[in-house]
Amino acid sequence: AQSVTQPDIHITVSEGASLELRCNYSYGATPYLFWYVQSPGQGLQLLLKYFSGDTLVQGIKGFEAEFKRSQSSFNLRKPSVHWSDAAEYFCAVGGQGQAGTALIFGKGTTLSVSS
Amino acid sequence: EADIYQTPRYLVIGTGKKITLECSQTMGHDKMYWYQQDPGMELHLIHYSYGVNSTEKGDLSSESTVSRIRTEHFPLTLESARPSHTSQYLCASSAYPGQGTYEQYFGPGTRLTVT
Repeated sequence: AQSVTQPDIHITVSEGASLELRCNYSYGATPYLFWYVQSPGQGLQLLLKYFSGDTLVQGIKGFEAEFKRSQSSFNLRKPSVHWSDAAEYFCAVGGQGQAGTALIFGKGTTLSVSS
Repeated sequence: EADIYQTPRYLVIGTGKKITLECSQTMGHDKMYWYQQDPGMELHLIHYSYGVNSTEKGDLSSESTVSRIRTEHFPLTLESARPSHTSQYLCASSAYPGQGTYEQYFGPGTRLTVT
């Protein structure tokens, strides 16, 4: 079955510290992978995406993610977290299928930033 | 500026009322989606559309209905609201694969409370 697992429900990081959010996926075909961020009361904003090519992708707001096919993972990283990064982060997977661009989302990881 | 708009942002309504959640996009996208999001849970696809006069049900069963009479407009209707419909509803759009983008772009959401 196609699925996305985000093992960490809630993470707290000190401001200025590095961050890694985990994402594992199960998908039968070549996956297209995404990370979205959601601030309270807002919709989802695309942080970055992986379709093909270089497995290390850069996104907005200083985020990057690395696609590791052997581990079925697409972890999100940031070298130095800012207080404004506190939000909920969703990993999603999609691919060429009957619905075309249907995405499967994980349950999200809530990031808190301490001063 | 290309964007996705949802109205209202917040709605509190009594049981049995008919409601329509509006979604419009100026992205020029053919595909549009409605997701339901509950706290601590993944987004669940409830409806999607490939284009004008196309509507399909998503993975999560929903008592709502949708219509797509114009490319830019994808309203969601509940004929008789119930407390179980209390949730956040997110609208999204995407281009067809091959049109250069694959990711979904989200509106700010409508938080619905049925009393």
